[in-house]
Order: sequence, then C-alpha cells, then structure tokens
Amino acid sequence: SQQGEEDPQALSIQEGENATMNCSYKTSINNLQWYRQNSGRGLVHLILIRSNEREKHSGRLRVTLDTSKKSSSLLITASRAADTASYFCATDIYSSASKIIFGSGTRLSIRP
Amino acid sequence: GAVVSQHPSRVICKSGTSVKIECRSLDFQATTMFWYRQFPKQSLMLMATSNEGSKATYEQGVEKDKFLINHASLTLSTLTVTSAHPEDSSFYICSAALDKDRAYAGYTFGSGTRLTVV
Repeated sequence: SQQGEEDPQALSIQEGENATMNCSYKTSINNLQWYRQNSGRGLVHLILIRSNEREKHSGRLRVTLDTSKKSSSLLITASRAADTASYFCATDIYSSASKIIFGSGTRLSIRP
Repeated sequence: GAVVSQHPSRVICKSGTSVKIECRSLDFQATTMFWYRQFPKQSLMLMATSNEGSKATYEQGVEKDKFLINHASLTLSTLTVTSAHPEDSSFYICSAALDKDRAYAGYTFGSGTRLTVV
C-alpha cells in the first residue's frame, strides 16, 4: 500500500535555483524520512524528522513537517546538477509493526 | 556503518525458474528487514516485513508462496521469487531497521536487484 502522495511528480529547474517538493500522507506517523534515488540505483537516506519536530536542516536541505495537515516539504537550496534524481518521502507509520511506506516520488531535473 | 549488502545486483532468468536475492547487514544486527519492489518510474511498494526467527508478514496482494522470505539469522534475509514469470521483472530492494524502536533514525537500504525474467 502507498501512504503518501508527492507533488510535483516532476520538476525541472535551472542550476542554482531552489527546489521544493511536497509530501502528503494519510495516517498518524512516528517520523517522516526523505530519500534520494538516482536512476536504477538504491536509496540514499537524506533526513529524518520526528512527529514532534516542525523543521530540520541538513546542509542544503530543509525539511518541514505539519502533522495537523499531514504534510511535509523538502527544500533543496542552490541546486546542483548532481541533485538530479528522484526524491521520495517515507512515513514510519504508527502501528504495531514498524515499517516505512513510500510516497509516489518527485523526479527532479537540474538544467545546467 | 550500517551497511546493507544486496546480491546479486542484476539477474536474468528463464520463465519458470526460481531466483534468490540476498540481503546482508554487514556491520550490525538486523532484527527486522523489509522487501520492496519498484517498477520503472514508480515508487517503492512494500512487499513484506521479515523478523529474525519468525514468519514474514506480507502486504495485501503479495503472494507469500511466490515470494518466499527467510530471515534465519540477524545478518541475512533472502527473498526467493519462485516460478518466475515476465511480470515479476522488477527492481527489488531490501531495507534493514537498526532496532525495533520506531523513534530511532535507522533505516538503511541495499543497492537493489534488477530481475529480468525472459
């Protein structure tokens, strides 16, 4: 089952610009995580934000979480060509079995 | 630390044969592992959760007799696709949780296995 929806599905921006991706989810969560996936490769963990946190930073990444709206956003500042990838949010759902469920993903392309 | 090694990275098999994919935690003990599949340009869909020493929990719609999961030790989980068909061709990825505390930031992924059934 898929927990989250992300928008936009695809995003193309100029190098140096900021990229914002949004994620909405349906059920209560323990935490929300963002991952990057280069084409045909495994996933790289970017950042985790807990349900009692509202904002978190890591380098050029800024993540926000609004549990009342069941939504999160990922901001990548000063984008680089190497940021071209698919980005997924994943929710650690609050259930008897800890597991993460992925959103639909955003394909980000950075134009040189 | 917290590296998960997945093998093989690519496999091509004939229709009707079985394929085993291994997922190993190299420097930690993985009490819980997760198996996902991903079709081209789509998201990861959770197939099953495996706990060391007990039966796997399959997500709705996933055939447990077709996708056999074994988690016999704290460092190894295997996914066997039995009697594979072309529609089973996909990208399979494993994930390991570092412990059972949901508040802990500990999910690490293997590099994935590209299965092609011809």
